Amino acid sequence: SAVISQKPSRDICQRGTSLTIQCQVDSQVTMMFWYRQQPGQSLTLIATANQGSEATYESGFVIDKFPISRPNLTFSTLTVSNMSPEDSSIYLCSVDLAFGETQYFGPGTRLLVL
Amino acid sequence: GEDVEQSLFLSVREGDSSVINCTYTDSSSTYLYWYKQEPGAGLQLLTYIFSNMDMKQDQRLTVLLNKKDKHLSLRIADTQTGDSAIYFCAEIQESGYALNFGKGTSLLVTP
Repeated sequence: SAVISQKPSRDICQRGTSLTIQCQVDSQVTMMFWYRQQPGQSLTLIATANQGSEATYESGFVIDKFPISRPNLTFSTLTVSNMSPEDSSIYLCSVDLAFGETQYFGPGTRLLVL
Repeated sequence: GEDVEQSLFLSVREGDSSVINCTYTDSSSTYLYWYKQEPGAGLQLLTYIFSNMDMKQDQRLTVLLNKKDKHLSLRIADTQTGDSAIYFCAEIQESGYALNFGKGTSLLVTP
């Protein structure tokens, strides 16, 4: 398994500001993912963040709004830019340890935008 | 992607068995997963099954896979109040290793 931590665990932000969420893993992993879970909803993939390459974004998500960094094999950041109340969600990072066999999630960052 | 379908709610009495059902979309999915999310918490990987299996048992959990019908189920034996949570079924997306989730089934266990 993997131990994944996220910072911050929660935040309340003003519209128009930006927040950077950090994801730290206790082992080196190639594949990391960022998901969004809107209130009462399921998880939606934002992007895949593999070390050594640019993040790959899903339809409906763009780099200007959700820039991602992946500087090494244990760390990634997701920035939610120019926030609006519609960005209020839980943001979760996940890692794939064995090419699909097991995927583990961080505890999530609960974001409220006023 | 297309939808992974789950029923939204299930209520069972403590001590009974719970069966949560899921239909998935991609017949080429290599792994299928069940995650548990308790209130205010992240996602906990409960179990997963490789697509060449039709059953996997892990203590109180039994996963059944019917590839022909693209149907996955999770059976929880001797359900306890601590099992009350939202259960998500997920498949690996066609385009890579990210997951495509169902909407989740809220399980309520009553005394």
